[in-house]
Amino acid sequence: AQKVTQAQTEISVVEKEDVTLDCVYETRDTTYYLFWYKQPPSGELVFLIRRNSFDEQNEISGRYSWNFQKSTSSFNFTITASQVVDSAVYFCALSEARRSNYQLIWGAGTKLIIKP
Amino acid sequence: NAGVMQNPRHLVRRRGQEARLRCSPMKGHSHVYWYRQLPEEGLKFMVYLQKENIIDESGMPKERFSAEFPKEGPSILRIQQVVRGDSAAYFCASSSSTGNMNTEAFFGQGTRLTVV
Repeated sequence: AQKVTQAQTEISVVEKEDVTLDCVYETRDTTYYLFWYKQPPSGELVFLIRRNSFDEQNEISGRYSWNFQKSTSSFNFTITASQVVDSAVYFCALSEARRSNYQLIWGAGTKLIIKP
Repeated sequence: NAGVMQNPRHLVRRRGQEARLRCSPMKGHSHVYWYRQLPEEGLKFMVYLQKENIIDESGMPKERFSAEFPKEGPSILRIQQVVRGDSAAYFCASSSSTGNMNTEAFFGQGTRLTVV
């Protein structure tokens, strides 16, 4: 069965600390896509990244980086030198190629609180 | 180039009333997807529509919920005889003619429905 687990319900760190949000997924497909979205307090969903299952290269975008490891079925997200504006709920999601690709399977989200 | 527009942003309804949620996709997009986000949870797929057609409504509750995407105008998600359990954030996303959400999915800002 397909599933996305974000075990950390809430994380609180002090500004400038690094923080990693975990995402573990389950799928039988060999072709799939993984996503991260940010939901700030205002409520909208902000796309952060999409990664397909054949691309295991880690990605860095400014203070954000993603570590995709198929061996452990994980797609973790790290924020370096966190800022208060990073406070939000972060969602990891999975899309399987063999299923309807619009039926994203979402984790429950991790609420990240950055204290000044 | 406006993004996906949803209105209203906030909607309060009494039990038994009807709720109508509107979604205007991005310009050039003819595929619309509706998701529901219950408090403290990730998003759950509800329905996928193209112009004048429902492609997949496997995530829609069997009763009281309906969706349409007419030739002209926005997509409408309609909830009849609302109950407290319908209180949630409802998100709309759109994609181009390829109907592929395995690209960056463009989400609206959501409509927060509160049933009192």
